[in-house]
Amino acid sequence: GAGVSQSPSNKVTEKGKDVELRCDPISGHTALYWYRQRLGQGLEFLIYFQGNSAPDKSGLPSDRFSAERTGESVSTLTIQRTQQEDSAVYLCASSLGQGLYNSPLHFGNGTRLTVT
Amino acid sequence: AQKITQTQPGMFVQEKEAVTLDCTYDTSDPSYGLFWYKQPSSGEMIFLIYQGSYDQQNATEGRYSLNFQKARKSANLVISASQLGDSAMYFCAMREINTGTASKLTFGTGTRLQVTL
Repeated sequence: GAGVSQSPSNKVTEKGKDVELRCDPISGHTALYWYRQRLGQGLEFLIYFQGNSAPDKSGLPSDRFSAERTGESVSTLTIQRTQQEDSAVYLCASSLGQGLYNSPLHFGNGTRLTVT
Repeated sequence: AQKITQTQPGMFVQEKEAVTLDCTYDTSDPSYGLFWYKQPSSGEMIFLIYQGSYDQQNATEGRYSLNFQKARKSANLVISASQLGDSAMYFCAMREINTGTASKLTFGTGTRLQVTL
């Protein structure tokens, strides 16, 4: 498909378990972003990749959160020892990349994470 | 301090009327971009319109226009001829070009727009 693809679309996990969320950006987009959206709230920035490096990790809420990206392709966001406050929709977005300041972010449909 | 402020948690508008959604921003960076997104109940984020800080003209995209008042640091979204399908959450966002890593968008808390018959 032509858009940003995220999987799974829904994930229910028990408190304390680890989860991996996957994002497949639009082909040719060098920049990739992860955001978190709690119910009824705005988007909270987590991390940004340019290629496979992460110049901005400032939004990761704790060391339980990590992300990686292989090349200019797939990214995974890993949450270790999940807590109930991690329940949210995790949105991935991609854009054409650094230097193209008017380039909008194109979002996937998100992964809804529920920690029980 | 909030970088993006959307003071209207909810708005109602009648079909075919125009509506203005407010957005104010706070930055010391002279170079920045402002974006508006729509999020229907399905959850997808849809890009609507962009305004650059140095753009001389207000941005327009179809029924969407941006009322950009740089001195007041406001970038209000105007939707003309509202349609039922415009009912959604609307988010204002900013990218600061020269501050730190110049790529992430910082989002406001959103305004929920309901279009009525």
